[in-house]
Amino acid sequence: EAGVAQSPRYKIIEKRQSVAFWCNPISGHATLYWYQQILGQGPKLLIQFQNNGVVDDSQLPKDRFSAERLKGVDSTLKIQPAKLEDSAVYLCASSASTDTQYFGPGTRLTVL
Amino acid sequence: AQSVTQLDSQVPVFEEAPVELRCNYSSSVSVYLFWYVQYPNQGLQLLLKYLSGSTLVESINGFEAEFNKSQTSFHLRKPSVHISDTAEYFCAVTRSGGSYIPTFGRGTSLIVHP
Repeated sequence: EAGVAQSPRYKIIEKRQSVAFWCNPISGHATLYWYQQILGQGPKLLIQFQNNGVVDDSQLPKDRFSAERLKGVDSTLKIQPAKLEDSAVYLCASSASTDTQYFGPGTRLTVL
Repeated sequence: AQSVTQLDSQVPVFEEAPVELRCNYSSSVSVYLFWYVQYPNQGLQLLLKYLSGSTLVESINGFEAEFNKSQTSFHLRKPSVHISDTAEYFCAVTRSGGSYIPTFGRGTSLIVHP
C-alpha cells in the first residue's frame, strides 16, 4: 500500500512570495489533514477535510493560507504572501478510521 | 481542551541501555493516547496507541507505554535501545469519541550513543 505522498520535499522562497504544496493521501482515506511543524515543536493542525468538505480550519491563518481538496482526493495548501514565520515543515496526513493518522514525509519551507 | 507535556526535550543514552521518555497529559474528558516517532527528514510514524482495554501497550520494535489514569501519564519505555532508535518522539492526546484531532507535545529527541 502506497503511503501519503507530498511534493515538493523542500522549498525556499523570499518573503511576500507565494508557494503551494501538494498532497496525495492513501487511497480510500476520506479524511485529510494539513499540519504545520515549526522547528522544536510538535505538529499543529491547520485544516481537516472529510472527503472534499472542511471539518476544521479554526487554526488556519485565512488571510494568507488557503487549502482545497477537489474531488475528495488530492489536496493543495497555498501560502500567499509568505512571511518569515511561515518557515516550517508542512505535513499532510490521512486516515480511514477515526483514531490513526498516516503522515507523509513533509515539505520543508524556508522563507528568506 | 487537552494538553500534553513532554518533560524532557532531549534524552541521551548509550546503546543497549534502558530508556524512558516521559509524557503527561491534561484533559477533563476521556482520552486516547499516542506515541509517534519521526526519523530525520521523514514524517511521523505511529509507534503505539492506547484506546481502551489493557493499560500496557506494545509496539513491534520493543517499545511499550503504560497508561496511568491517576497520574495522567503515558510514558514510553524500551529495555534496550539501538542506534537506530535515534529519532524524535512525540506524545499526542485526543479526546475519545470526538473528531480525533491530536494535540501533540513538543517532542523528545532520543539520542543513542555507541
